[in-house]
Amino acid sequence: DTGVSQNPRHKITKRGQNVTFRCDPISEHNRLYWYRQTLGQGPEFLTYFQNEAQLEKSRLLSDRFSAERPKGSFSTLEIQRTEQGDSAMYLCASSFDKNTGELFFGEGSRLTVL
Amino acid sequence: GEDVEQSLFLSVREGDSSVINCTYTDSSSTYLYWYKQEPGAGLQLLTYIFSNMDMKQDQRLTVLLNKKDKHLSLRIADTQTGDSAIYFCAHLRSGGYNKLIFGAGTRLAVHP
Repeated sequence: DTGVSQNPRHKITKRGQNVTFRCDPISEHNRLYWYRQTLGQGPEFLTYFQNEAQLEKSRLLSDRFSAERPKGSFSTLEIQRTEQGDSAMYLCASSFDKNTGELFFGEGSRLTVL
Repeated sequence: GEDVEQSLFLSVREGDSSVINCTYTDSSSTYLYWYKQEPGAGLQLLTYIFSNMDMKQDQRLTVLLNKKDKHLSLRIADTQTGDSAIYFCAHLRSGGYNKLIFGAGTRLAVHP
């Protein structure tokens, strides 16, 4: 399968714990995005990487959130000191450097904070 | 997304046409998209339209764009039970790095 891969698919954690999600984009895609989707809502933009550079961060990304893409390939999204409000589906998407803006999404990592 | 609005729910009979509507506020949007999300799955791009077009047809899908009214619609002909899903409208934010802004989604229920 050469699509966008995310893991773990589901993470259940206690409030206050740290969690990390990983995204492996389509190999030739240089752009990588993280979105968050809560129940009944559309995906909300969190952050964007072009190669290894993090070029944009949403106001939604508090200081407890950090994302990296160290070698311009896979990316990680870490949430420190999780809160119940962090419970959501975290979606990763990638795209190639072209103008149509088509994003290819992974199946997401669902976070449940108890 | 606060600047993309969709109706939340649509119910149609199998074989009928479905029309899902979307309005947006950013008049400088260059591309507009329809994504489909089935339960437990990621988002799948269905189709997109460039802002200088007013219609695009792709098999059972027809996209209509009224740029003056900032209104986008997706028509699904001969709707099937497999079309039951959530449909998201999105636009490419001008000046952004292919950053898509999504609506809240329209849940399409297809009944026999």
